[in-house]
Amino acid sequence: GNSVTQMEGPVTLSEEAFLTINCTYTATGYPSLFWYVQYPGEGLQLLLKATKADDKGSNKGFEATYRKETTSFHLEKGSVQVSDSAVYFCALVKGGSNYKLTFGKGTLLTVNP
Amino acid sequence: EPEVTQTPSHQVTQMGQEVILRCVPISNHLYFYWYRQILGQKVEFLVSFYNNEISEKSEIFDDQFSVERPDGSNFTLKIRSTKLEDSAMYFCASSEDISNEQFFGPGTRLTVL
Repeated sequence: GNSVTQMEGPVTLSEEAFLTINCTYTATGYPSLFWYVQYPGEGLQLLLKATKADDKGSNKGFEATYRKETTSFHLEKGSVQVSDSAVYFCALVKGGSNYKLTFGKGTLLTVNP
Repeated sequence: EPEVTQTPSHQVTQMGQEVILRCVPISNHLYFYWYRQILGQKVEFLVSFYNNEISEKSEIFDDQFSVERPDGSNFTLKIRSTKLEDSAMYFCASSEDISNEQFFGPGTRLTVL
């Protein structure tokens, strides 16, 4: 079946540091890939997505590239801010499956001033 | 901005009791979902709902679980006889169309004692 594995947290960085959160997936065919973010006390929000190989999703300075050859979708940001502190979830959707999302465990990011 | 809301934010119940978790999806959305996350584990799909019926359910969603859209605005998840292992964060989500972004609520933390 489909699965997502993402880097265990927590991750603690200083402001302006470079962020990478690794995500790899297992799926048949060609899934769409997502990063969701959950800020304290809020719901999961879509951060970015990519629907086919070599697509790059980007939003709010975050980027992730759909790498079919390595089955990866790593999240990166060049310079994190305190306001980026949140839990980040990698997820996939396999078309034809009612678009149910398959999530990773989530990675807690804390950015210190 | 429209958002998905969930009540209560935290529910504590005794094993064997029935609980109803409530969600108000975004008003023009047609597809509704429940997911759950047991502490330290992945967010898991439970069920999807469209046109007043279940469109897909996971293995977790056994006879103890049911969903309902009683009045055109609320979307509820009922657990008939709670078990200790039902303790988790339950997320509701909705989408306008099957392939559109799913918008998540903030979650209900269910604790079964």
